[in-house]
Amino acid sequence: QQQVKQSPQSLIVQKGGISIINCAYENTAFDYFPWYQQFPGKGPALLIAIRPDVSEKKEGRFTISFNKSAKQFSLHIMDSQPGDSATYFCAASWGLGRALTFGSGTRLQVQP
Amino acid sequence: ETGVTQSPTHLIKTRGQQVTLRCSSQSGHNTVSWYQQALGQGPQFIFQYYREEENGRGNFPPRFSGLQFPNYSSELNVNALELDDSALYLCASSAGQTGELFFGEGSRLTVL
Repeated sequence: QQQVKQSPQSLIVQKGGISIINCAYENTAFDYFPWYQQFPGKGPALLIAIRPDVSEKKEGRFTISFNKSAKQFSLHIMDSQPGDSATYFCAASWGLGRALTFGSGTRLQVQP
Repeated sequence: ETGVTQSPTHLIKTRGQQVTLRCSSQSGHNTVSWYQQALGQGPQFIFQYYREEENGRGNFPPRFSGLQFPNYSSELNVNALELDDSALYLCASSAGQTGELFFGEGSRLTVL
């Protein structure tokens, strides 16, 4: 019940395209769902996060879509840029600041 | 504002040895969490410290222990190192128990 399953494992997108990464969770007690971006040699950095009381949150080119009934959430990166090439992790926790359960990561490559 | 800093950045140990990793939290943050990130995997929660007390622990054996000091800096100690302990160890700090997590760049441990 602690798992967060993430797909795809890797993704190649052309510059200007849309990148979509999906996650599914099992534990209905989770109520905070962040996405982290990690570049090689760096720690994860918070990109965007959502609570289950909304179905969508948008910040610039990044959008989280949340489906509570299906226990799924996804990250959409619009107008993908080569600088977006990184590994993306979804995560979930019982509230902000609590222990995060991470997905296994998606390695995104945006080709120029 | 100083971010989360970790030391050392890289270290090599042999099986059976002990290691201490250090973390200085971001200014104003009183909560520190430690995560283990194996190569190609998402980070896994080890434990969290709030006001010098352990405030949550993941599925790690007792040979993983920690400390938080009055200045909110923290140490992660691992005894009797095993080959599978080879990983990137990430420290994250937050303002209180409900604050957003900010990660450091990690300490890369290799156990031979």
